[in-house]
This record gives sequence, C-alpha cells and structure tokens, in this order.
Amino acid sequence: EAQVTQNPRYLITVTGKKLTVTCSQNMNHEYMSWYRQDPGLGLRQIYYSMNVEVTDKGDVPEGYKVSRKEKRNFPLILESPSPNQTSLYFCASMGRTVNTGELFFGEGSRLTVL
Amino acid sequence: AQSVTQLDSQVPVFEEAPVELRCNYSSSVSVYLFWYVQYPNQGLQLLLKYLSGSTLVKGINGFEAEFNKSQTSFHLRKPSVHISDTAEYFCAVSRRDSGGYQKVTFGTGTKLQVIP
Repeated sequence: EAQVTQNPRYLITVTGKKLTVTCSQNMNHEYMSWYRQDPGLGLRQIYYSMNVEVTDKGDVPEGYKVSRKEKRNFPLILESPSPNQTSLYFCASMGRTVNTGELFFGEGSRLTVL
Repeated sequence: AQSVTQLDSQVPVFEEAPVELRCNYSSSVSVYLFWYVQYPNQGLQLLLKYLSGSTLVKGINGFEAEFNKSQTSFHLRKPSVHISDTAEYFCAVSRRDSGGYQKVTFGTGTKLQVIP
C-alpha cells in the first residue's frame, strides 16, 4: 500500500529538548515536504526536498532542520523546541512522473512543547 | 506569487441539505486546483482536482467542484451531505516553479459540521 508514515503521532516534550520526527514514503517520490497546521492559518510549508541531498526552506523554516540522506526518508529536527512550535505537523510527498502538484500526506504528528 | 482564500472558516449544515464551500485564488500564471479533506485525527487526502478540460470536476464521496476562470474560483459542492462528511476541507493551488516541481499553496481551511 502506498503511504507516507510519520512517527511519533503524538509527542509532549519540554522546551530545549531536541527531538526528531521521522517521515518515510514507499512511493519512490523525489519530492518531500514538511508542513505545520495551526488553527486559522491552514498549512504552512516548513522545508522541502526535491531529491536526495537537496533541501530548501519553505515559508516558516525558523527553528527547524531537515536532512535527506535517502530518497524515502525526510526527518524533521527541532534542535531546541519552544512552545510556539506546538503544532500539528504533516509530511507529504509528490512524484515527478505525474507532476501536477498532488501531494500524498502522512497522518500527522501532534507536538506539544511545554 | 499565488494565494488561496477560503472565506468561511466554519460551515454548519443539516444532514441531507446541500452545501457549497467557497474557494478563490489569485495567480499570475496558470494553476492546477485541488480540494483536500481532513477527517478528525487523520492526514489530508485528495478529494478532487482540476488540471484541464471540463470545468466541472467530480470527486470522491459525491463531491464536485467547478472551475471558474473569470471569477478565479473553485467552489466545492455536494447536493446532500451526510454525517460522515464532517471534516475540514482545504482548497489548494499549484503552479510550476523554477525547480520543475509544482509549488503548492493551501487555503486556511473550512470546517464542515453536519448536524443530524
């Protein structure tokens, strides 16, 4: 089954404690992206990657890091989380062969930073 | 640059009544248009998309949307809603960017609440 898998689904942490949210897709997609979803703001792009070792900032990259060492994985790293990073995070992927902009989403990771 | 406006943040509607969720966009170039649905505690899934051709697009679960180029709108409609349609709906547009991929921009979402 084609899917995007995120872990953990739920996480509560404290300010300053580094954490990583993993994302993996099994569709051989070149493009992967991270979004955060906040009430009234919709989805905002954090970082994206067009291929292995190629990453770029989205609209709200401050406080986040990413890496793309393998095609299937695109982890999101919060080096020193702060309460304003409490949010619902989504990983998504997009294929190049049928390049319409259709995104495939993971089920989301709800992060609370105390 | 492109932007998407969903004018209604919440839409309550009685079961079996029709519903329209509004979406307007702005872009200086041709775009593709999408509606995604997010059920509670789930990720987003594609409801329907407009790429070209007929301006009336049919999607899953009985939803349809009409592309209106002159009004730059892509409103979502369903003639008779069901309780299971309670969800948040996102309109999105995409355009080709310099990297060869599609740059996707989302609206702020509309929560559809179906009342029994």
